[in-house]
Amino acid sequence: DVVLTQTPPTLSATIGQSVSISCRSSQSLLHSNGNTYLNWLLQRPGQPPQLLIYLVSRLESGVPNRFSGSGSGTDFTLKISGVEAEDLGVYYCVQSTHAPTFGGGTKLELK
Amino acid sequence: EVQLVESGGGLVQPGRSMKLSCAASGFTFSSFPMAWVRQAPTKGLEWVATISTSGGSTYYRDSVKGRFTISRDNAKSTLYLQMNSLRSEDTATYYCTRAALDYWGQGVMVTVSS
Repeated sequence: DVVLTQTPPTLSATIGQSVSISCRSSQSLLHSNGNTYLNWLLQRPGQPPQLLIYLVSRLESGVPNRFSGSGSGTDFTLKISGVEAEDLGVYYCVQSTHAPTFGGGTKLELK
Repeated sequence: EVQLVESGGGLVQPGRSMKLSCAASGFTFSSFPMAWVRQAPTKGLEWVATISTSGGSTYYRDSVKGRFTISRDNAKSTLYLQMNSLRSEDTATYYCTRAALDYWGQGVMVTVSS
């Protein structure tokens, strides 16, 4: 199975601060069709996950543009440019190039 | 508005069976592959199974192969997960989701305990 390693496991931020989360894969996520199926999800407390970013860097409809994704191959990053209170929760990277696997999660909390 | 509503969860004894359902609305159900994802209490997310649009292709994580069956009824816009030989480690909230992970249900809790 593909292992996704997210760092840091916990992130403390103040409102307005910019933060980044790393997701490192044990195998390349480049599919033979040229796409890289790496998504980012946010799960707020008591809620199902919601899709933020798909195909590494494409912003899901309705998601604020303070969220951005980047990376290729095995190394990926989610950046939040100016944290807002509604951004608190657990962030997961997930790949579906191979049998789907999720990262362990990064909990974003207020400092 | 896209809606996915799971049902069928609850408490079940180890070794017994349970069937989850997911009623879909707000989109053309037959055009989208679907999946089940679970989350054990206080743990992370874990993919369980995926099914193609026609239902002709199914995929499972190793730990549920031979015990779980994903299926769909496109005429009823409903996704199913038949779970047999349940184990304590299957205890989790089970989410119905489009395979692209763009829409999720609220989840249904399954507790396997004697």
